[in-house]
Amino acid sequence: DVKVTQSSRYLVKRTGEKVFLECVQDMDHENMFWYRQDPGLGLRLIYFSYDVKMKEKGDIPEGYSVSREKKERFSLILESASTNQTSMYLCASSPSSGTGLHEQFFGPGTRLTVL
Amino acid sequence: KNEVEQSPQNLTAQEGEFITINCSYSVGISALHWLQQHPGGGIVSLFMLSSGKKKHGRLIATINIQEKHSSLHITASHPRDSAVYICAVRVRGGADGLTFGKGTHLIIQP
Repeated sequence: DVKVTQSSRYLVKRTGEKVFLECVQDMDHENMFWYRQDPGLGLRLIYFSYDVKMKEKGDIPEGYSVSREKKERFSLILESASTNQTSMYLCASSPSSGTGLHEQFFGPGTRLTVL
Repeated sequence: KNEVEQSPQNLTAQEGEFITINCSYSVGISALHWLQQHPGGGIVSLFMLSSGKKKHGRLIATINIQEKHSSLHITASHPRDSAVYICAVRVRGGADGLTFGKGTHLIIQP
């Protein structure tokens, strides 16, 4: 079974802190995604990566950056956390779409609170 | 206007009832996904459709590409089916990321 893990289930940070959210997948997937989920807004794509060192902005990239130095790991970085970044963050992975359409596999989520 | 609309937003039903959740979208898509999210946050992929119909156990998903509409059906519903069901689309020609509906919160009462 595909396993996508996230470094923390719950995280509390202060405004202005630099925050790292880590995601690791063990199925050699090319694509990895970061989403945030907010009540009334659903899930929204922040960034995705289709290969090592490659990244593309999603729908709401402002205030975030990402890093993919290794195929299995995709990090989301909040350079200076703000209260409006309090949210549930979900990581997902999938095989390359070049091989056909594939489902995405989701991690358990990290609930981040910025005080 | 949201690109993906789900209805209803909330649904409460009795155990055993036949459940239908609807999803309409306004863009051309290459695939539509149905996802399930239980309390606690974990999301599981139920179906990925590009045409026709798929069945897995008591779950059935259909899609009408011309109408830009999909339905998720649950037969013989059970309290363990209580969850949020999310419709998501991969926009044709777009990036691999998904665009999501806001979800349908389903409660099945014993």
